[in-house]
Amino acid sequence: AQSVAQPEDQVNVAEGNPLTVKCTYSVSGNPYLFWYVQYPNRGLQFLLKYITGDNLVKGSYGFEAEFNKSQTSFHLKKPSALVSDSALYFCAVRDYGGGKLIFGQGTELSVKP
Amino acid sequence: EAGVTQFPSHSVIEKGQTVTLRCDPISGHDNLYWYRRVMGKEIKFLLHFVKESKQDESGMPNNRFLAERTGGTYSTLKVQPAELEDSGVYFCASSRGDGQTRTIQYFGAGTRLSVL
Repeated sequence: AQSVAQPEDQVNVAEGNPLTVKCTYSVSGNPYLFWYVQYPNRGLQFLLKYITGDNLVKGSYGFEAEFNKSQTSFHLKKPSALVSDSALYFCAVRDYGGGKLIFGQGTELSVKP
Repeated sequence: EAGVTQFPSHSVIEKGQTVTLRCDPISGHDNLYWYRRVMGKEIKFLLHFVKESKQDESGMPNNRFLAERTGGTYSTLKVQPAELEDSGVYFCASSRGDGQTRTIQYFGAGTRLSVL
């Protein structure tokens, strides 16, 4: 069965510092991976996806993610964090059998001035 | 272009009552999904419509949950009777019909259901 894990419930970063939100996956074949962000009182917003190709994927709001097949990871990164990046981040993998997404538990990112 | 819209944004009901959640997908999106997040845990899949047909309902927890998608447009999710463990945030998402593994699912803001 496919699964995704986000090992950190919360990540705290100072504004201007680089940030990393971790995600590892378990799939039987090639993964289709996604990152979503949920701002307070808002829906999930798509950030970026990895389907195939370059291991470094660039997305919205200056975020990027690095696909690492040997470590089965898809960590979300940003070189310089903003206070406005504070939100809940979800990693997900697309199920092969259909269209559903399988999500991790989410990571609360807090960026302090 | 309007995004995915969900109604109501918040619903508070008592155990044993009935609640109906509505989702309006992005116009032209054949795929419609329901998910929910309970007690701060991971977001879990409930079911998937392709147009008006149920493609996958493997995530529906029990027969107290009934989902419909009239005419392949909006969808409703009815919980009857509601139990305490049904509390959580219910999300709806939609996507285009071409190439499901690659397409992006666009989510609504969710309905927060509180069963007292």
